[in-house]
Amino acid sequence: EAGVVQSPRYKIIEKKQPVAFWCNPISGHNTLYWYLQNLGQGPELLIRYENEEAVDDSQLPKDRFSAERLKGVDSTLKIQPAELGDSAVYLCASSRSASSYNEQFFGPGTRLTVL
Amino acid sequence: AQRVTQPEKLLSVFKGAPVELKCNYSYSGSPELFWYVQYSRQRLQLLLRHISRESIKGFTADLNKGETSFHLKKPFAQEEDSAMYYCALRSTGNQFYFGTGTSLTVIP
Repeated sequence: EAGVVQSPRYKIIEKKQPVAFWCNPISGHNTLYWYLQNLGQGPELLIRYENEEAVDDSQLPKDRFSAERLKGVDSTLKIQPAELGDSAVYLCASSRSASSYNEQFFGPGTRLTVL
Repeated sequence: AQRVTQPEKLLSVFKGAPVELKCNYSYSGSPELFWYVQYSRQRLQLLLRHISRESIKGFTADLNKGETSFHLKKPFAQEEDSAMYYCALRSTGNQFYFGTGTSLTVIP
């Protein structure tokens, strides 16, 4: 099993440019999470999906960030336009459901650098 | 408000010595607490959760509601324990809050 797949692994862009990250969760996992991890910090939840529904996006900066999970499988996270402060690692995780008995499995992350 | 506090950014212990990574939380409801670990060049992964009351790789953690703590302990540290450790809290609304992490180095 490949685990959670994320691409690209690294991305360097100039400020004000758009950027998109892609996540493919583990097969059969209904719950998908996007996290932001700044240097020296722990992951911070941006959005959680249950199937195709965004059930918690309270921490997503909606002025520039958007996410979608069409068909309840793959997901994309977009930033438009990117700012210098968006430089961070973006993590995707999935679990069978949001139940506490279901472990979250993390992807390798996408490291974004905004110049 | 900071939900999860890990006071130590860096922690070094000698091989064979006991190790304790501290975690304190702030939450008014009934939280679920977890420890996640990230080994060098690997993904973040679950180490243990308080509801399971299990010992993983010799590590244990007890939820102390009175002290609002969930410290991670191991009686004899091994070199392969060197990693980044994150304490996390899951709220009743299924939101996850991670601490800032503690980098553990086990000195041979």
